[in-house]
Amino acid sequence: AQSVSQHNHHVILSEAASLELGCNYSYGGTVNLFWYVQYPGQHLQLLLKYFSGDPLVKGIKGFEAEFIKSKFSFNLRKPSVQWSDTAEYFCAVNARTGGFKTIFGAGTRLFVKA
Amino acid sequence: DTAVSQTPKYLVTQMGNDKSIKCEQNLGHDTMYWYKQDSKKFLKIMFSYNNKELIINETVPNRFSPKSPDKAHLNLHINSLELGDSAVYFCASSHDLGVGEQFFGPGTRLTVL
Repeated sequence: AQSVSQHNHHVILSEAASLELGCNYSYGGTVNLFWYVQYPGQHLQLLLKYFSGDPLVKGIKGFEAEFIKSKFSFNLRKPSVQWSDTAEYFCAVNARTGGFKTIFGAGTRLFVKA
Repeated sequence: DTAVSQTPKYLVTQMGNDKSIKCEQNLGHDTMYWYKQDSKKFLKIMFSYNNKELIINETVPNRFSPKSPDKAHLNLHINSLELGDSAVYFCASSHDLGVGEQFFGPGTRLTVL
């Protein structure tokens, strides 16, 4: 069965620090990969997605993620975080065959100190 | 012109009651979903409908019954509410069967007393 693992449950950073949030998935076939963000009290919004092509994808608000197929990973990065990046971040994986389910990771809560 | 809307935003009710949450999307999507987010923010798929047809039904108690009168609406009815049903319920939609990005509604915070 598919699963998605996010390594850090809570991350605290100071403004201007660099961010990397880990995401690994278990599925041997072709996948679509997503990062969603949930700001406090709000709904989930798409940050970026990977379907095919260049494994380094750029999203909104300066975020990027790199798909490394051999490591089954899709880590999220941002060179310099801002206080407004304080939110919950969810990695999600959808296998292109069978099930039609998108599996979400448990989320990483990021707190950025001003 | 909200893309995915849910009502109500907050729902407080007693154990044993029956309640409904409504969801509508104006994106022209074929697929709609219900997710439950618990107090630890874990997001779990409950149901998925594609063109009004039930596609995914994840081991959800049969007290939960989704209804899709048309492909723009997916409502969730819950019978005999229990304390453990307290959570935030998110509706979402996608263009097709789950392989594309999903657009989420604002959520309904259900509190069962």
